[in-house]
Amino acid sequence: EVQLVESGGGLVQPGRSLRLSCAASGFTFDDYAMHWVRQAPGKGLEWVSGVTWSSANIVYADSVKGRFTISRDNARNSLFLQMNSLRAEDTALYYCAKEKYTGYDGLMGTYDMWGRGTMVTVSS
Amino acid sequence: QSALTQPASVSGSPGQSITISCTGTSSDIGGYNFVSWYQQHPGKAPKLMISDVNRRPSGVSNRFSGSKSGDTASLTISGLQAEDEADYYCSSYTSRNTWVFGGGTKLTVL
Repeated sequence: EVQLVESGGGLVQPGRSLRLSCAASGFTFDDYAMHWVRQAPGKGLEWVSGVTWSSANIVYADSVKGRFTISRDNARNSLFLQMNSLRAEDTALYYCAKEKYTGYDGLMGTYDMWGRGTMVTVSS
Repeated sequence: QSALTQPASVSGSPGQSITISCTGTSSDIGGYNFVSWYQQHPGKAPKLMISDVNRRPSGVSNRFSGSKSGDTASLTISGLQAEDEADYYCSSYTSRNTWVFGGGTKLTVL
């Protein structure tokens, strides 16, 4: 069964850091690009960051650029998001999402599998 | 990058058809055929319904279809069913090598 399981969320004070993880199973992880997408409580979806299978191409939303770092460990079938200098507006459910297409080292931004998300709350 | 513009809500009766619009610019929807639509039920993760403007993934009902004209993409659901009631989001690739979602549309089946 194809599965993505996020972890690492929690309550953190503004300005502090948090590292999210996403454990993948049921598919060949290093064949696919991966992304993080977040959803603030009661709000819509917001794309955060994406990384190609090889980690050669990494992109970020302007809202997190310079503060968040995406990475992956293909040997451990895992995706990560290091979040520094957290702000109240980063409060959201963070989803790990798998790209639908494979066979190239690029990003398409079409997600055919999502995890259940991990909640990050930034508050003093 | 501003969010794509979707109507906040749409509604229809069972058996009817509805269309949800998603308006962007020439830097996103109008410039690329990389538009996707996602369905999200309350408390659940999003589900891919349409990719690449009008491609329906395996397992998605053929009642769902997508199209694009200029800077506006559309999702049409025909033969509305109670289980279609959900939030729907469009997304598009942008000229800045990023992705942008719409604000979401709440579909109510009357």
